[in-house]
Amino acid sequence: GAGVSQSPSNKVTEKGKDVELRCDPISGHTALYWYRQSLGQGLEFLIYFQGNSAPDKSGLPSDRFSAERTGGSVSTLTIQRTQQEDSAVYLCASSETSGGAYEQYFGPGTRLTVT
Amino acid sequence: GQNIDQPTEMTATEGAIVQINCTYQTSGFNGLFWYQQHAGEAPTFLSYNVLDGLEEKGRFSSFLSRSKGYSYLLLKELQMKDSASYLCAVSGDSNYQLIWGAGTKLIIKP
Repeated sequence: GAGVSQSPSNKVTEKGKDVELRCDPISGHTALYWYRQSLGQGLEFLIYFQGNSAPDKSGLPSDRFSAERTGGSVSTLTIQRTQQEDSAVYLCASSETSGGAYEQYFGPGTRLTVT
Repeated sequence: GQNIDQPTEMTATEGAIVQINCTYQTSGFNGLFWYQQHAGEAPTFLSYNVLDGLEEKGRFSSFLSRSKGYSYLLLKELQMKDSASYLCAVSGDSNYQLIWGAGTKLIIKP
């Protein structure tokens, strides 16, 4: 079946502009995660959704970052007034449900470059 | 605090065996994952350990000792395509959030 998809694959934007990153999880997966990965670094947790609810937004770096999920499926991560330090690869993952034993399936990521 | 340690980089020879270690200190433990990430690609699942011992899956094996807060990933008969980063992640107290190590970049030489 189809895996996790993300769009766009690459985004170059000017400092101060807003960007929207999209994630389409595996059908039927109720849990959805957003991560950020800078070059050569590990994964930085941003936000988690169970269904349409986001019980944990503690990883969002600032109030310029927001995310939503509709219909228990597609999620959008929005970054307002982008800064150069926002440049990174943004990865989305989904799993059947939350819980320690459930494998997370990752999308290919969106490479964001802020100039 | 919660912490996962892995070596930053390792080098091995094609056809050989390599062991990548991961030590962790977390609040609670509900399992440990290993993921493989090729450069420019998304991480892909390799293994999951929740009980002590060795889990073997083809050329790859993963070991866990909960009392020591220690795991390793063993790769046998190394191939050039095994050149990648290997990420260790632990499921702790949180019922959804994994704690991720920074990853070990494995370089395979002919």
